[in-house]
Amino acid sequence: AQKVTQAQTEISVVEKEDVTLDCVYETRDTTYYLFWYKQPPSGELVFLIRRNSFDEQNEISGRYSWNFQKSTSSFNFTITASQVVDSAVYFCALSETEDSSYKLIFGSGTRLLVRP
Amino acid sequence: DTGVSQDPRHKITKRGQNVTFRCDPISEHNRLYWYRQTLGQGPEFLTYFQNEAQLEKSRLLSDRFSAERPKGSFSTLEIQRTEQGDSAMYLCASSEGFNEQFFGPGTRLTVL
Repeated sequence: AQKVTQAQTEISVVEKEDVTLDCVYETRDTTYYLFWYKQPPSGELVFLIRRNSFDEQNEISGRYSWNFQKSTSSFNFTITASQVVDSAVYFCALSETEDSSYKLIFGSGTRLLVRP
Repeated sequence: DTGVSQDPRHKITKRGQNVTFRCDPISEHNRLYWYRQTLGQGPEFLTYFQNEAQLEKSRLLSDRFSAERPKGSFSTLEIQRTEQGDSAMYLCASSEGFNEQFFGPGTRLTVL
């Protein structure tokens, strides 16, 4: 069965520290997509990234980077030089292509608090 | 910017009342999804539409819940005879095919 696990419930860091949010997934599908969304206190989920299961290249976007490792079924998210505005709940999600709905299966989220 | 919009943003109702939420997707998106999020959890899938057709419903969607998407544009989610357990954030998302889903701000429902 498909599942996304975010073992870190809450992380607290001081501004400018680097922080990594872990995501482990389970799926029997050979082709799937992985996502990260950010949910700030306002509540709206903000799309950050989508990765195809065939593309294991790491991705960097500004201070954000993602490490996808199929061998360990992990898709971790690193924020470099964190800022107070990064404080939010971050969700990792999975979508399977065998499921024609492409619905998102979310983890339980990691709350990140960046202190000044 | 014409992102996904939802109305109302907050709804407080008494147990047993009916409520209806509206979602307006991004205009060129043919898929529309409804999710429910309870405190401290990730969103859970409820149902989705491709154009006007409702193609899948989760087991979470009891027979008190009904969703429509007339003419493949906006969608409504109705909950009849609300229960306290229905209290949650109801999120709508839209996508172009199987591309990434973009979410609206959600409707927070409180059932007293």
